[in-house]
Amino acid sequence: DIQMTQSPYTLSVSVGDRVTITCRASQSITNWLAWYQQKPGKAPKLLIFKASSLESGVPSRFSGSGSGTEFTLTISSLQPDDFATYYCQQYNNPPYTFGQGTKLEIK
Amino acid sequence: QVQLQESGPGLVKSSETLSLTCSVSGGSISNDYWSWIRQPPGKGLEWIGYIYYSGTTNYNPSLKSRVTISVDTSKIQFSLKLRSVTAADTAVYYCARHRYYDNDAFDIWGQGTMVTVSS
Repeated sequence: DIQMTQSPYTLSVSVGDRVTITCRASQSITNWLAWYQQKPGKAPKLLIFKASSLESGVPSRFSGSGSGTEFTLTISSLQPDDFATYYCQQYNNPPYTFGQGTKLEIK
Repeated sequence: QVQLQESGPGLVKSSETLSLTCSVSGGSISNDYWSWIRQPPGKGLEWIGYIYYSGTTNYNPSLKSRVTISVDTSKIQFSLKLRSVTAADTAVYYCARHRYYDNDAFDIWGQGTMVTVSS
């Protein structure tokens, strides 16, 4: 299985901050990577697919980059609604695997 | 707009079979891939397996010996059966749609249903 490792586990941030979350794959997944946002008690929401493509309806402050084994999710200016846990997911091949999550906390 | 809704027992006894159904509304089940994903309390996400509307399946090897996913196109729903459950199978179970292909992101999710395995 392809292992996905996110960093950091938690991030203490403030509204207006630029936030970067990193995801590393244990082998190359080309650009078959998605990012999701999950709030407590809710299902994950797709933000980014194919490493850098913004899902319809997702604010443009979210962006993704990377290829091969290293990927980043960037939030250009954090808004109050963005405090949540973020997961990366590879879909290069089954079994599809997720990172362990990065939780954004209020500083 | 397509919506997904999971249903099934919230409590299952250890060693028995967990059975869940995902009902699709607002669209067709045809020409799409559909997955089950679970999340133990306070933990991360684990992909269980997918089914294509034609019945083709692919399972996570870690669960393959205990999992069956089936589809009923006439009822516009697909189902999950997980046999011989233990406490480690306690989780929120989500159904989700693949964007277009088998190897693809999940663009629509159900709200999730909590299943507790009791001894």
